[in-house]
Amino acid sequence: NAGVTQTPKFRILKIGQSMTLQCTQDMNHNYMYWYRQDPGMGLKLIYYSVGAGITDKGEVPNGYNVSRSTTEDFPLRLELAAPSQTSVYFCASSTTGASGNTIYFGEGSWLTVV
Amino acid sequence: AQSVTQPDIHITVSEGASLELRCNYSYGATPYLFWYVQSPGQGLQLLLKYFSGDTLVQGIKGFEAEFKRSQSSFNLRKPSVHWSDAAEYFCAVVTGNQFYFGTGTSLTVIP
Repeated sequence: NAGVTQTPKFRILKIGQSMTLQCTQDMNHNYMYWYRQDPGMGLKLIYYSVGAGITDKGEVPNGYNVSRSTTEDFPLRLELAAPSQTSVYFCASSTTGASGNTIYFGEGSWLTVV
Repeated sequence: AQSVTQPDIHITVSEGASLELRCNYSYGATPYLFWYVQSPGQGLQLLLKYFSGDTLVQGIKGFEAEFKRSQSSFNLRKPSVHWSDAAEYFCAVVTGNQFYFGTGTSLTVIP
């Protein structure tokens, strides 16, 4: 029962570096999401996807990019890492949309930009 | 705009005492409501959800929540807290394709 799998779990980046957070789900969910979690701020939606080939911005998309070439995978890319992107990132998925459905989360990726 | 408010940033209770975590939402239509729990260093785990029907919903680990439309609330309760319940608790409301989360309530359980 893999569910939603994120890698890496921990990463330290230097300012200006780029990296990709990988996310894959094996539940055949159409909807996938990327959230960031900052202390006292709850979870903020970065990007989401309603299916392969379709992505859309959430509340805080600046500095990030996503792609959705397959149903299973939804990578999040940071092109020029900044200290403000130090956060915990959660990938999630749900079936046919958020309304009336449960969202399943990965275990998180802790990213520090120095 | 939709929003979720968790007024209590941090709560401390004694083991065995009862617990109530508050959640208020702002949404025009009938909302879909969730409570998630996050243990330190872990992802979010679903405790319970409300879609329709009975306004008192039962969840895992002995938790329950009551939807009160008149108060726009969805408070989480547990009759007797265990030390393992110490965690961060998030209320969420769903609209369209998006989940909106509250800022969380951190629960400390003292012996």
